[in-house]
Amino acid sequence: EVQLVQSGAEVKKPGESLKISCKGSGYDFSNYWIGWVRQMPGKGLEWMGIAYYANSDYRYSPSFQGQVTISFDMSISTTYLQWSSLEASDTAMYYCARGAGGTWFYWGQGTPVTVSS
Amino acid sequence: QSALTQPASVSGSPGQSITISCTGTSSDIGHFNMVSWFQQHPGKVPRLIISDVSSRTSGVSVRFFGSKSGNTASLTISGLQAEDEADYYCNSYSTSDIHVFGTGTSVTVL
Repeated sequence: EVQLVQSGAEVKKPGESLKISCKGSGYDFSNYWIGWVRQMPGKGLEWMGIAYYANSDYRYSPSFQGQVTISFDMSISTTYLQWSSLEASDTAMYYCARGAGGTWFYWGQGTPVTVSS
Repeated sequence: QSALTQPASVSGSPGQSITISCTGTSSDIGHFNMVSWFQQHPGKVPRLIISDVSSRTSGVSVRFFGSKSGNTASLTISGLQAEDEADYYCNSYSTSDIHVFGTGTSVTVL
């Protein structure tokens, strides 16, 4: 059974760094796209970036380029989304999803992030 | 890359049909047959219901129908039921080599 399990809720202060995770199981983690999606409170879905580990292909949406970093640890079938300096506007739910042929069927349960002083 | 344009809300009575439009450009919807639709109930994870313009995901009711014409994709829900009340998002691949979501549509069953 394919599963994506994300790390738990985070509460951070502005300026702090953060790395959230998404662990895949039940499939060959290296041969599928991983995407990260932001959903701010009461708002719509936004693609942050997608990545394909097998050929080191990392693509970020313009709004998120330089703001976040996607990385992998293939030894534990895990992908990460990282911020170096959080802002209050980063408060949102973050989802990871598995992509194949442009189809995003499997999603993680979401990681809520709250940034507040 | 701008978000695809969807109506903010659509409503219908039980049993009626509704259609949600998703307007893009010749760089996304008009260029690729990689349009998908997601359903999201409040507080829940988005659920893929349509991929590749019109392919229903396994287990999705035949009442959901996807189509595309030019730069606009559409999701039609026939025989509207209370359980269909949710937010719906279209999604397309683009020539910028990234995906883009629609602005989202809230469906209300009257």
